[in-house]
Amino acid sequence: DQQVKQNSPSLSVQEGRISILNCDYTNSMFDYFLWYKKYPAEGPTFLISISSIKDKNEDGRFTVFLNKSAKHLSLHIVPSQPGDSAVYFCAASLNSNSGYALNFGKGTSLLVTP
Amino acid sequence: ETGVTQSPTHLIKTRGQQVTLRCSSQSGHNTVSWYQQALGQGPQFIFQYYREEENGRGNFPPRFSGLQFPNYSSELNVNALELDDSALYLCASSPSAGRLFADTQYFGPGTRLTVL
Repeated sequence: DQQVKQNSPSLSVQEGRISILNCDYTNSMFDYFLWYKKYPAEGPTFLISISSIKDKNEDGRFTVFLNKSAKHLSLHIVPSQPGDSAVYFCAASLNSNSGYALNFGKGTSLLVTP
Repeated sequence: ETGVTQSPTHLIKTRGQQVTLRCSSQSGHNTVSWYQQALGQGPQFIFQYYREEENGRGNFPPRFSGLQFPNYSSELNVNALELDDSALYLCASSPSAGRLFADTQYFGPGTRLTVL
């Protein structure tokens, strides 16, 4: 059962505009959320995270918003650049006996066009 | 540069065979996690090792096993391969198994396993 869902397989945005990637989760016990970026033939790289005690975390052009009541988070990229074109994975973790396992969504492929 | 390497890059096996995949973590990283990423899916947690002991396991059968060595290398072994085992296998290392390990978890490029 998929506990972390990214319902948009792909997104296309013009350079300079805002990219908004969405993620929903079903397990209310998740308390830490992360976004990873993945280029072809490379492993995922950590982008930004947010704890469940916050509702926003910002790092440069990247901002993650968390809405716990809706079990929803989003990643905003402003302004979008062609180099941002990649697959973005949302991931969630909880403090459990599974050793802080990360639960990933299926990913959203972002294409930023010039 | 993450410094996490995996070998081999690609591998083809037949059903029923056994396979060993290898990962070399960054020096000082005492935690390694393994993930399976099937085509069109996100990575799925297999297990995690901390200081050479299994620290947690996902929903994978016992034919998936692992080892972690003192020299920051680790192995994923899969016995009795099935067609559904075809996937990209990722290892990720971290300097800690503590609460914020995920922020400092570095992934390798993966091994693409094809089971025929």
